[in-house]
Formats: sequence, C-alpha cells, structure tokens
Amino acid sequence: SAVISQKPSRDICQRGTSLTIQCQVDSQVTMMFWYRQQPGQSLTLIATANQGSEATYESGFVIDKFPISRPNLTFSTLTVSNMSPEDSSIYLCSVVAPGHSISTDTQYFGPGTRLTVL
Amino acid sequence: KQEVTQIPAALSVPEGENLVLNCSFTDSAIYNLQWFRQDPGKGLTSLLLIQSSQREQTSGRLNASLDKSSGRSTLYIAASQPGDSATYLCAVFTGNQFYFGTGTSLTVIP
Repeated sequence: SAVISQKPSRDICQRGTSLTIQCQVDSQVTMMFWYRQQPGQSLTLIATANQGSEATYESGFVIDKFPISRPNLTFSTLTVSNMSPEDSSIYLCSVVAPGHSISTDTQYFGPGTRLTVL
Repeated sequence: KQEVTQIPAALSVPEGENLVLNCSFTDSAIYNLQWFRQDPGKGLTSLLLIQSSQREQTSGRLNASLDKSSGRSTLYIAASQPGDSATYLCAVFTGNQFYFGTGTSLTVIP
C-alpha cells in the first residue's frame, strides 16, 4: 500500500493568483498522477508526473497553466497558475503501488486539495 | 479510447437491503479493475481490486465481480448500512493509465 499526504487540504484564492499543491508519498513509486474533480463530476486526469523529466499532459491541460515538478520518487507539486473561478475543484494526487505483477498494481489517492477561486 | 460508465448514477435504499452497482467499459484490454469509495469532499479509498484473470473478489460485506469479455463489473454490497452512504467509482487500468467511471451516489436510509 501507499500513504499519501497533500498540502494544503483546502484554500480560497483570488482570481489571477497561483497556488502550489504538494504531494508526499511514504514510499518510492514510479507512477504518479494529478487529477481534477469538479463539483458533482468524476475524475479528470491532468497529467502524469514523471520523475526527472517533464510531465505528460492530457488533452486540454497545458504546462503553462498546470506546471508540475517531480524531483524524486516520493514527492511532486502541481501549480495552478493564473487562477479563475473555473479552476475551483478538488485536486487529487495518486500513485500506483506495484504488485507482484502489473495486474496487481493498485492505485492509491491522497486526501485531496479543495480549491475555491473567487 | 476506453470509456467507463456506471449505472445507476444515484441510488437510495433502506438500511439492511442488499444492492448492486454496475460498471461497464468499452475495451477489454485491461490489467485490472478497482472499486473506490469517495466521501463528500474527500479523496478516494480503494475497496477492491480484481485482476483481469479473476472473476470475483470479496472483502467483508463487499463482493466485486468481473466479466472482462463483456466489459462488465458489479459491486455487491450486502446488508447495507448508513455508513455505506458515499459515491462509488470504478476504474480500469490499461497499464499506463486509469480510466474512471462517472460514479454511483449511494444513500442508505436508516
């Protein structure tokens, strides 16, 4: 298993500012993801955080808006830049804890960061 | 592209009832399927993982089944309790990405 912490747990921010969310894992993991969950919706993958290289972004998400760092195998940050009210969401960090085979690889989630942009 | 859907979107049952949540996916090339629970405003908690070679998994009052060839999974909750009230999501793993369903919001009425 993996235990994940996120900071901050929630924040209220002004339009046009930026917020950096931290994700810390209690063990080294290869696969780490950032998701967004807008009110009443399911999860949308923002990007895969790659250790030592640029993140891989999904369609509709760009590095200038959501820069991601992954300096090592236990830590990552997601920055939400130049925020607007449409960015109000829960942001979730997740990791894959490898099993004895790929079919037992299990995804675990952090507690989430609830962001409100005014 | 893999698409995952869950039916029903919302379900309300009296305490003590057994219930079934459904998950379907369009591409059977998966390694596993996970069921998660999400409480309001919180992260996701993993409930069960079924490997692609398995037919079912059980944990306490929960039983999940998988029919990979037909692209279906079910989550059976026995003797439901008010504490089971939450949103339940399924996700399939293709090896490099997870695809999530839209979720079923469950309310168990005391």
